[in-house]
Amino acid sequence: QQQVKQSPQSLIVQKGGISIINCAYENTAFDYFPWYQQFPGKGPALLIAIRPDVSEKKEGRFTISFNKSAKQFSLHIMDSQPGDSATYFCAAEYSGAGSYQLTFGKGTKLSVIP
Amino acid sequence: EPEVTQTPSHQVTQMGQEVILRCVPISNHLYFYWYRQILGQKVEFLVSFYNNEISEKSEIFDDQFSVERPDGSNFTLKIRSTKLEDSAMYFCASRARSSTDTQYFGPGTRLTVL
Repeated sequence: QQQVKQSPQSLIVQKGGISIINCAYENTAFDYFPWYQQFPGKGPALLIAIRPDVSEKKEGRFTISFNKSAKQFSLHIMDSQPGDSATYFCAAEYSGAGSYQLTFGKGTKLSVIP
Repeated sequence: EPEVTQTPSHQVTQMGQEVILRCVPISNHLYFYWYRQILGQKVEFLVSFYNNEISEKSEIFDDQFSVERPDGSNFTLKIRSTKLEDSAMYFCASRARSSTDTQYFGPGTRLTVL
């Protein structure tokens, strides 16, 4: 019930294309859904996050779509650039537990080719 | 911009030895975390620490693990008797105050147990 399932495992997109990564969760108590970007040798860095009271959040080229009834959320990267090549992790958090720990998906390795 | 720092960047140890991984969280943050990432796998929660005590821990965080905040700035993870399966990247993270605050990750310590 604590799992967050992420797909695809890897993704290759042409420069300028749209990258789409999907996540699904089971625990309806989760109330915060961030996406982290990780470059090789670095720690995860927060990219964008959403709470279940909205269905979409956009920041620049990055958009989260959230479907509460389906318990799914996705990251869309518009106009993908080679600099976006990284591993992307979706995560979920339950604030009611007090510790605000993150449960991560398995990650998607994105390669944007020129 | 303030950042979480971790030392060492890479630690090699023999099986059965004790290791201490060190972290300096962002200075005004109140919540501290350790996560680990086995090569090629997802980031997994180990433990959260708040108000000088463990607030939550995962099944991975058994009696071989301990955490400490020995002074006002450092946050350490000790593994008492390392096993081969402890080889992973260990990330420290910190958060300011509440669930609306971002969890910031350090660059990680790669632990290799031989």
